Amino acid sequence: QQQVKQSPQSLIVQKGGISIINCAYENTAFDYFPWYQQFPGKGPALLIAIRPDVSEKKEGRFTISFNKSAKQFSLHIMDSQPGDSATYFCAASGGSQGNLIFGKGTKLSVKP
Amino acid sequence: DGGITQSPKYLFRKEGQNVTLSCEQNLNHDAMYWYRQDPGQGLRLIYYSQIVNDFQKGDIAEGYSVSREKKESFPLTVTSAQKNPTAFYLCASSRLDGPTYEQYFGPGTRLTVT
Repeated sequence: QQQVKQSPQSLIVQKGGISIINCAYENTAFDYFPWYQQFPGKGPALLIAIRPDVSEKKEGRFTISFNKSAKQFSLHIMDSQPGDSATYFCAASGGSQGNLIFGKGTKLSVKP
Repeated sequence: DGGITQSPKYLFRKEGQNVTLSCEQNLNHDAMYWYRQDPGQGLRLIYYSQIVNDFQKGDIAEGYSVSREKKESFPLTVTSAQKNPTAFYLCASSRLDGPTYEQYFGPGTRLTVT
């Protein structure tokens, strides 16, 4: 019930392509879904977040799509760039679970 | 310049020694957290604190201890009881009002125990 399942584990995309990372959750009380970006040797940085009252949120090239009925949310990176190469983590929290539950991460490589 | 600082960036210890990792924040956040990161494992919560002089165990607290004597500081001690202490340790903080779960992370400390 507390897990957040993230896929794929790794992803290789050509420059200019679309990167898509998916997450699924089970706890219907979750009401906050952030995505974090982490470069090697650095701490994760909050990239974008969504709450379940909207189905999509866009910030620049990054979009979160949220499907409440399927209990799934995904990160889309449009026009992917080599500088986007990093590990991306989804997370969720809400209800009695006040702390963030993280997915296991997706290592994205964008090839020039 | 607001943020979270962790020191040192790299730490080496011999097996059987306790070691303390530092975490300081000047964001005036009430809550602070410690995570452990291993390859392919995501971030796992060790301890968290929402108020000075109070803290709660996370999912993997065994072999670790913390203190919260000041709002700005949340040091983590990795004890000799921790069976596999080599990992990347991350400290985070967040407000407890507004966007409650918006956590901000420090740069991390890589601990190697041999």
